[in-house]
Amino acid sequence: AQSVTQLGSHVSVSEGALVLLRCNYSSSVPPYLFWYVQYPNQGLQLLLKYTTGATLVKGINGFEAEFKKSETSFHLTKPSAHMSDAAEYFCAVSETGNQFYFGTGTSLTVIP
Amino acid sequence: DTGVSQDPRHKITKRGQNVTFRCDPISEHNRLYWYRQTLGQGPEFLTYFQNEAQLEKSRLLSDRFSAERPKGSFSTLEIQRTEQGDSAMYLCASSLAYNQPQHFGDGTRLSIL
Repeated sequence: AQSVTQLGSHVSVSEGALVLLRCNYSSSVPPYLFWYVQYPNQGLQLLLKYTTGATLVKGINGFEAEFKKSETSFHLTKPSAHMSDAAEYFCAVSETGNQFYFGTGTSLTVIP
Repeated sequence: DTGVSQDPRHKITKRGQNVTFRCDPISEHNRLYWYRQTLGQGPEFLTYFQNEAQLEKSRLLSDRFSAERPKGSFSTLEIQRTEQGDSAMYLCASSLAYNQPQHFGDGTRLSIL
């Protein structure tokens, strides 16, 4: 069965500090993996995706994630947090590309 | 690319009433998905369409929920005999193909009185 676990429902970082949001997945086959961001009262916006190929994926707004099969992880990072990064972040997994399973989300707070 | 459009943005109704939400996907997208999102949770998959064909509906929450995409363009999600527990954000997304990223609308927030 497919599932996603996001460790840490709330993460706080100082402006300019490293952002690390954790995502571990469960999948019986090589999965498709995604990170989305959601601002209040809005839909989700894609940050980046992993399908096949290079395991280090670069996304928008300076975010990147690394697919580590041995650790079943797909953690999201950004070298330097900006105030505008404050939002809810969701990791998602799909085995078939048809049904997508989302984690419960991590709320990122950026402290000035 | 005008994005995914959902209507209405907010719906307030009394328990027991029927509600219908509309989703207009990005025009060239064949895939259309419906999700429910409750407070503090991630989106929960409900159903999806490939053009006008509904390929998965076993995840619809109950037989009170139904979805259509009659001409392979816009879609509707209907909830009959609404209950308090139906209060949530209902999100629609579309994509070009089966493993492509989904583009989300801003959702319809349903409140049951």
